[in-house]
Amino acid sequence: KAGVTQTPRYLIKTRGQQVTLSCSPISGHRSVSWYQQTPGQGLQFLFEYFSETQRNKGNFPGRFSGRQFSNSRSEMNVSTLELGDSALYLCASKAASGASDTQYFGPGTRLTVL
Amino acid sequence: QQPVQSPQAVILREGEDAVINCSSSKALYSVHWYRQKHGEAPVFLMILLKGGEQKGHEKISASFNEKKQQSSLYLTASQLSYSGTYFCGTRSSGNQFYFGTGTSLTVIP
Repeated sequence: KAGVTQTPRYLIKTRGQQVTLSCSPISGHRSVSWYQQTPGQGLQFLFEYFSETQRNKGNFPGRFSGRQFSNSRSEMNVSTLELGDSALYLCASKAASGASDTQYFGPGTRLTVL
Repeated sequence: QQPVQSPQAVILREGEDAVINCSSSKALYSVHWYRQKHGEAPVFLMILLKGGEQKGHEKISASFNEKKQQSSLYLTASQLSYSGTYFCGTRSSGNQFYFGTGTSLTVIP
């Protein structure tokens, strides 16, 4: 079974621009979560989607948004980029939306904001 | 709400044991443990559920004290491949998932 894939792997943007990141979950998985990882803040939860519906949202500003398509693929959008948005963005998929389901992480998208 | 892990960093010699602790201020439904090597994505190690069900890794074990909202990861007879940063992840009633502060573990020959 193919793992979680994320595109692009690396991205460089300038302040004020917007960016869209993509995540394809493991086949059959319906839940996708997004995380931001930075040296200072560690791993922080952004949001979780299940069956095209946002189930949970972390404490991030409205500039961060996401969506999930009927094939479970998910996109994350960040508008009006700030320097502090430079981070590794990870998505994780799991079969369902339960507490006991294991998350499988993709390789991440490294975003650099100049 | 971010779980706190201790120690922040530990250095071991091959064959030594280590314990990593994870403490939350909220009541927990589940605790997950992950290991992340530099430049790679976190990899699932173990999940512990409220009520005692446990899944995991054959050479690594963990405990979950629901009353104290704490979990501990036990690594025995460490190997060089154990090096990395270990994160606990917790899910509570709001169903949000929080990663812990991380513990850097280095195993040296």
